[in-house]
Amino acid sequence: DAGITQSPRYKITETGRQVTLMCHQTWSHSYMFWYRQDLGHGLRLIYYSAAADITDKGEVPDGYVVSRSKTENFPLTLESATRSQTSVYFCASRGPTTSTTNEKLFFGSGTQLSVL
Amino acid sequence: QKEVEQNSGPLSVPEGAIASLNCTYSDRGSQSFFWYRQYSGKSPELIMFIYSNGDKEDGRFTAQLNKASQYVSLLIRDSQPSDSATYLCAVRLVFGTGTRLLVSP
Repeated sequence: DAGITQSPRYKITETGRQVTLMCHQTWSHSYMFWYRQDLGHGLRLIYYSAAADITDKGEVPDGYVVSRSKTENFPLTLESATRSQTSVYFCASRGPTTSTTNEKLFFGSGTQLSVL
Repeated sequence: QKEVEQNSGPLSVPEGAIASLNCTYSDRGSQSFFWYRQYSGKSPELIMFIYSNGDKEDGRFTAQLNKASQYVSLLIRDSQPSDSATYLCAVRLVFGTGTRLLVSP
């Protein structure tokens, strides 16, 4: 199916465990992003990637690791989950910024993560 | 100070009225501005984008940009109950906290 998909849809884990959230897109978009959404904070950028093997930190990167070995995949790993990382995580993608019209983001359906 | 500011609402309007949603931003060099709509439990979806000062209309939606005042707004004409959602203002990759809109029948 075309589009951007995230898995799992829901995840419950315990503090200290490692957890990986998956993101896959079929548009061959060069840019991919991870956001977290929390009440009172809105969407905050965790990490982004401009292309395979190129990643950079966003506003709130601490405690997270990303990789991008293939253009279509951009997994987000919480190396040692903490309760403060309980949130809804959204993956997004967009095409290359050859024009301003390409800057719009396409979001996945989100992963609701609870850290107990 | 947050880079993109929105009133969290809720903004309540009756069906058929005009809903006016506002957003201010701090980076004077910003070039691209977006409005996303997010229904409860769903992901954000783009409804409007604007790059130049002035108004941009798309159906019932009008985006307004004033770079001198660092202000961007979204007008929804003939509001419908189905427009009830949270509206997120974004300046490039930075999002406001969103304004919740409630349209009553």
